[in-house]
Amino acid sequence: DVKVTQSSRYLVKRTGEKVFLECVQDMDHENMFWYRQDPGLGLRLIYFSYDVKMKEKGDIPEGYSVSREKKERFSLILESASTNQTSMYLCASSPRRLQETQYFGPGTRLLVL
Amino acid sequence: AQKITQTQPGMFVQEKEAVTLDCTYDTSDPSYGLFWYKQPSSGEMIFLIYQGSYDQQNATEGRYSLNFQKARKSANLVISASQLGDSAMYFCAMRESGTSYDKVIFGPGTSLSVIP
Repeated sequence: DVKVTQSSRYLVKRTGEKVFLECVQDMDHENMFWYRQDPGLGLRLIYFSYDVKMKEKGDIPEGYSVSREKKERFSLILESASTNQTSMYLCASSPRRLQETQYFGPGTRLLVL
Repeated sequence: AQKITQTQPGMFVQEKEAVTLDCTYDTSDPSYGLFWYKQPSSGEMIFLIYQGSYDQQNATEGRYSLNFQKARKSANLVISASQLGDSAMYFCAMRESGTSYDKVIFGPGTSLSVIP
């Protein structure tokens, strides 16, 4: 079974803190993604990566950065957390084929106070 | 512009009845894939069904089927014989080929509640 794991299920941080969310997949997938999910808005793509050290901005990259030093690991960084970044963060991975589904991690619910 | 539209924020269905969840999409790419996912209250995203733009037949997976109408750009999910465990959020998603090949776009979701 494909497995995508995220470093934390729940996280509470203070405004201005630097926050690291880590995602690891074990299926040698080329693509990895970070989404945030908010009620009524569905999943919005923050960043995605199609190869090691390669990254592309998604629809809402402001306030976020990413790092992919190894194929299996994709990190999301909030340089200076703000209250409007309180959300559910979902990581996903997939092979590079149109018909292949994404596989999702369990999500990290982040609260910024 | 919204690329994936799900016009039903919330739906109710009686147990054992069938239900249709609507999804319309917008793309100029001739090659694309459409996906449906289920998200129970636990938060995990579960892949349900896939339809390719060139597939001749509508996709089916057990109690799930996809009513694909390419000319109308709609890809509605049909769940037959609803069960209490079907209560969840349902998301329609599209993956395009071309320059945005690796991007998958999600709709806002439909919350389905199955009534005993």
